[in-house]
Amino acid sequence: AQSVSQHNHHVILSEAASLELGCNYSYGGTVNLFWYVQYPGQHLQLLLKYFSGDPLVKGIKGFEAEFIKSKFSFNLRKPSVQWSDTAEYFCAVTLNQAGTALIFGKGTTLSVSS
Amino acid sequence: KAGVTQTPRYLIKTRGQQVTLSCSPISGHRSVSWYQQTPGQGLQFLFEYFSETQRNKGNFPGRFSGRQFSNSRSEMNVSTLELGDSALYLCASSFETNPETQYFGPGTRLLVL
Repeated sequence: AQSVSQHNHHVILSEAASLELGCNYSYGGTVNLFWYVQYPGQHLQLLLKYFSGDPLVKGIKGFEAEFIKSKFSFNLRKPSVQWSDTAEYFCAVTLNQAGTALIFGKGTTLSVSS
Repeated sequence: KAGVTQTPRYLIKTRGQQVTLSCSPISGHRSVSWYQQTPGQGLQFLFEYFSETQRNKGNFPGRFSGRQFSNSRSEMNVSTLELGDSALYLCASSFETNPETQYFGPGTRLLVL
C-alpha cells in the first residue's frame, strides 16, 4: 500500500538553527505533495504544495521544500527557525489515481527553544 | 471568508452508542473530506463527498458513514461505537477547480468510554 514516511518523530532546535524535515513516499506514479502544519491548539494549515514544475517550492512563513523524484522525497526546509515555529508538521501526498484523498505521514514534532 | 466549521467540538459517548458529527465547508466549496486522527494511526482518510455523492472512501468499516446535503454541509456518523473510535475527526473542504488544496476545520474530539 502507498505510504508516507517522516523520518524524525521529534526534532529539538534552538532559535536561528536551520531545519530540514525528511519525507519519503512509496508510489511510482504521479503524486501531488503537501506539507501541513498544526500549531498547538490550532487546526491543520497548508504550508506549501507541489503539483508540477519547479521542484523547489516556497511556502508561507519562510518554509520551502524540494521534490526529488528519483529519491521519492519531499523534504521541508527553513534556514532559520523561530520559537513560533514550534508545531507538528505533516507531509502528505495525493495520488492522481485516487482523487483528493490525502495520505499523511505520522508527523514530526518540532520544538524550538528561545 | 469564514473557515471550515465543525460541531460539536467535543463529545463523550459510551461504547455501543452512535454519534453524528457535522461539518460546514468554506462558502463556495463543494467538496468535503473527513479524516480521523489518532496518536497510534495518525491521520487517516475516511471519505470524500462532492455534490451530495460519495466520491472516494478510505479503509474503514461500514460503521463509519457520511452524507452531504445540497448546501454542501456534511455529516458523518459512527454507529456502535468502540473504544478505538476515540479520536479527533477532521473535516476539510476544497474548491472544485482546485480540489487537491484542502482547508481543514478545527475538528471534533470524540471520547468513547
